[in-house]
Amino acid sequence: AQSVTQLDSHVSVSEGTPVLLRCNYSSSYSPSLFWYVQHPNKGLQLLLKYTSAATLVKGINGFEAEFKKSETSFHLTKPSAHMSDAAEYFCVVSLSGTYKYIFGTGTRLKVLA
Amino acid sequence: GAVVSQHPSRVICKSGTSVKIECRSLDFQATTMFWYRQFPKQSLMLMATSNEGSKATYEQGVEKDKFLINHASLTLSTLTVTSAHPEDSSFYICSATYKEVGGQYEQYFGPGTRLTVT
Repeated sequence: AQSVTQLDSHVSVSEGTPVLLRCNYSSSYSPSLFWYVQHPNKGLQLLLKYTSAATLVKGINGFEAEFKKSETSFHLTKPSAHMSDAAEYFCVVSLSGTYKYIFGTGTRLKVLA
Repeated sequence: GAVVSQHPSRVICKSGTSVKIECRSLDFQATTMFWYRQFPKQSLMLMATSNEGSKATYEQGVEKDKFLINHASLTLSTLTVTSAHPEDSSFYICSATYKEVGGQYEQYFGPGTRLTVT
């Protein structure tokens, strides 16, 4: 069975410092993995996706994530946080061979001035 | 490309009435559409999957007679909340997919509809 675990429900960082949002997955097959961001009362915006090409994936707004099969992880990072990064972040795994998504429980990122 | 719209963005209705939410794929034909529900400060919960021209597949615990889904065309799916009650108040998000080159699967999300039942 496929699943995804976001290890932190809340993360606080100071503006200008690095961001690390952790995600571990469980999948019997080579998964497709995604990170989405959701600002308050808004829909989901795709940050980046991994679909079995390069293991280091670069996304929008300076975010990137590295697929590590040995650790079954897909952590999201950004070198320097901006106030506008404050939002909810969801790690998602796609069920192999289907369109169906499994969502993590989300991580709320707070950026301190 | 791959833009999905929802209408309305916000709706307030009285208890006992029905409300319809539309989900449209604007620049592609969607083979499959999904409906999600999101409670405050929680993750998205998949309610149902619909394919054009066939009945929706509901997730366990979702009342299909209460949440009617119609997928009449490759660009439009509707969710009707029937006999709405305050506990149906929530943020409803749809998504749409098509099979991309290389067989990749990705969902494209609408901006969501905030339903408030008074």
